[in-house]
Amino acid sequence: DTAVSQTPKYLVTQMGNDKSIKCEQNLGHDTMYWYKQDSKKFLKIMFSYNNKELIINETVPNRFSPKSPDKAHLNLHINSLELGDSAVYFCASSPSSGGAVDTQYFGPGTRLTVL
Amino acid sequence: KQEVTQIPAALSVPEGENLVLNCSFTDSAIYNLQWFRQDPGKGLTSLLLIQSSQREQTSGRLNASLDKSSGRSTLYIAASQPGDSATYLCAVRPGDSWGKFQFGAGTQVVVTP
Repeated sequence: DTAVSQTPKYLVTQMGNDKSIKCEQNLGHDTMYWYKQDSKKFLKIMFSYNNKELIINETVPNRFSPKSPDKAHLNLHINSLELGDSAVYFCASSPSSGGAVDTQYFGPGTRLTVL
Repeated sequence: KQEVTQIPAALSVPEGENLVLNCSFTDSAIYNLQWFRQDPGKGLTSLLLIQSSQREQTSGRLNASLDKSSGRSTLYIAASQPGDSATYLCAVRPGDSWGKFQFGAGTQVVVTP
């Protein structure tokens, strides 16, 4: 069974479109994250939710909106896509966000290409 | 602001040699440090997590050390194998920020048969 899954794996779309990426974890973790990995391979955190509550919101354009319907799911919706949004987006989860046990488990990534 | 640097950016070794990967960070007030492996086109796999109070962690052929005062961590991989070829990333969690891991750019490792 896949621990952290993301859909879709690949996403190719035109500038200006709106798209969503979905993430699910079956590990029973309390905390989930969205990361962006750019072409230079730097991973930067975007958002984190703990038990459906937003706890990290880095400097990300408000075109990006995360939604957590329950603690096993964290979706990322992007409005008005721009060329610079092209990247690999990773979802991750950890048992907690504030304790010692915050080993992060990553999904396989979603490669977004904006044309 | 915490900055995490990994040197070298790329490394190629013959099979059987020991690997030494370096990670340095500018702010020693960290909560923990985690080493990951990333295979091409795939997500990250956690290898070792070292708490700020620990000096090292070991798992099989992997050993990670942490020297907080000098802002350094080293990942040792003993007797490297071609299957160890991947990009290795270190990530630092600041002491005052829940979940905000700061990642290095990684070291790309190639182990040749």
